[in-house]
Amino acid sequence: DAGITQSPRHKVTETGTPVTLRCHQTENHRYMYWYRQDPGHGLRLIHYSYGVKDTDKGEVSDGYSVSRSKTEDFLLTLESATSSQTSVYFCAISGAVDNSPLHFGNGTRLTVT
Amino acid sequence: AQTVTQSQPEMSVQEAETVTLSCTYDTSESDYYLFWYKQPPSRQMILVIRQEAYKQQNATENRFSVNFQKAAKSFSLKISDSQLGDAAMYFCAYRNTYNNNDMRFGAGTRLTVKP
Repeated sequence: DAGITQSPRHKVTETGTPVTLRCHQTENHRYMYWYRQDPGHGLRLIHYSYGVKDTDKGEVSDGYSVSRSKTEDFLLTLESATSSQTSVYFCAISGAVDNSPLHFGNGTRLTVT
Repeated sequence: AQTVTQSQPEMSVQEAETVTLSCTYDTSESDYYLFWYKQPPSRQMILVIRQEAYKQQNATENRFSVNFQKAAKSFSLKISDSQLGDAAMYFCAYRNTYNNNDMRFGAGTRLTVKP
């Protein structure tokens, strides 16, 4: 698992409520990512971080925010969850080398009712 | 933006046989990296194989090999001697050298292995 822990593993929440997903790594990697996985779309990048307090938007960032106050933790927040955000969310980490693959956590299945 | 296309939503193979999963990508860059990931029912994403675009030699990892055709922008995965444990979703991914924070994935191919 390359030392990546996502929590919670499953969550059901109601439309309009805030939700925070947590990613914790023990690899001391600089780069961290949040992806969402949906049928027919593969994985799409939401936000990524290239260091503490350094983050940037990905392909599908609307409705999401992130924070990284420590190297090991990367939080994904849905300020007001919508049904379209029902998905499986993956955190990933990567080393600094260009051809470094992404190493993924086990994902969080989020259902917004 | 770079796109990755996996034209086979589902594939099946008989145990011990060989299967090839297709992947094409669209890019104007000359330097990039390509990956195949496997996602079994456990949901874990597992790196299967990687290929650097500047390398002409096709990557191989045990029973897994790729056919990388740079001019055709094609990156297929061949699984030899298929095993029941190979049943999974397989994702092809592209990573730009210059913006290597944006790895693009295909929609995936679900592989079934028949005993």
